[in-house]
Amino acid sequence: DAGITQSPRYKITETGRQVTLMCHQTWSHSYMFWYRQDLGHGLRLIYYSAAADITDKGEVPDGYVVSRSKTENFPLTLESATRSQTSVYFCASRVAGGLSYEQYFGPGTRLTVT
Amino acid sequence: QQQVKQSPQSLIVQKGGISIINCAYENTAFDYFPWYQQFPGKGPALLIAIRPDVSEKKEGRFTISFNKSAKQFSLHIMDSQPGDSATYFCAVMEYGNKLVFGAGTILRVKS
Repeated sequence: DAGITQSPRYKITETGRQVTLMCHQTWSHSYMFWYRQDLGHGLRLIYYSAAADITDKGEVPDGYVVSRSKTENFPLTLESATRSQTSVYFCASRVAGGLSYEQYFGPGTRLTVT
Repeated sequence: QQQVKQSPQSLIVQKGGISIINCAYENTAFDYFPWYQQFPGKGPALLIAIRPDVSEKKEGRFTISFNKSAKQFSLHIMDSQPGDSATYFCAVMEYGNKLVFGAGTILRVKS
């Protein structure tokens, strides 16, 4: 039972390059989320998706693009990476409805933009 | 955009002591207030959560106290252990089923 996985775990890229971070979950959770974690800012929501083909912006969406063609995958693309996008990125998922709003987080991707 | 203010930024507690972390939110939030725990190199994981229809929830050594009128809630860790050393995040549920997180508290429990 793999749960939720992210790849790559570490990535170094140059300013201006496009980079895609992958997120895959095996639970068939409806909701998926992308956060970035920076010291002093906690976790900030970039984009989220309530279901396949439904995505919406979070608090800090500028410079990022997402898609969700399949329920289990939610890739995050930095179209033209900037140094300010150096961060640790976490993907999360949760079920829709029910009594629990618990989000399950992946292990994170540490991205460095040089 | 919901604002969540978490304090302190860092905390050092002796083994066996009580760790207290506080959070305050500004706007009317939905009915879910969780605390997440994160160990170095790992993703956050749900520790405990509360709904506003109760003022306190306890799970083992971890207790959430909730004050709806003051828009504040806190995490108490009783008998703190070195294994509790981690970063703790409070969060509030916002419209659209989104969580807004506090900035985090780095807890170190000295043995």
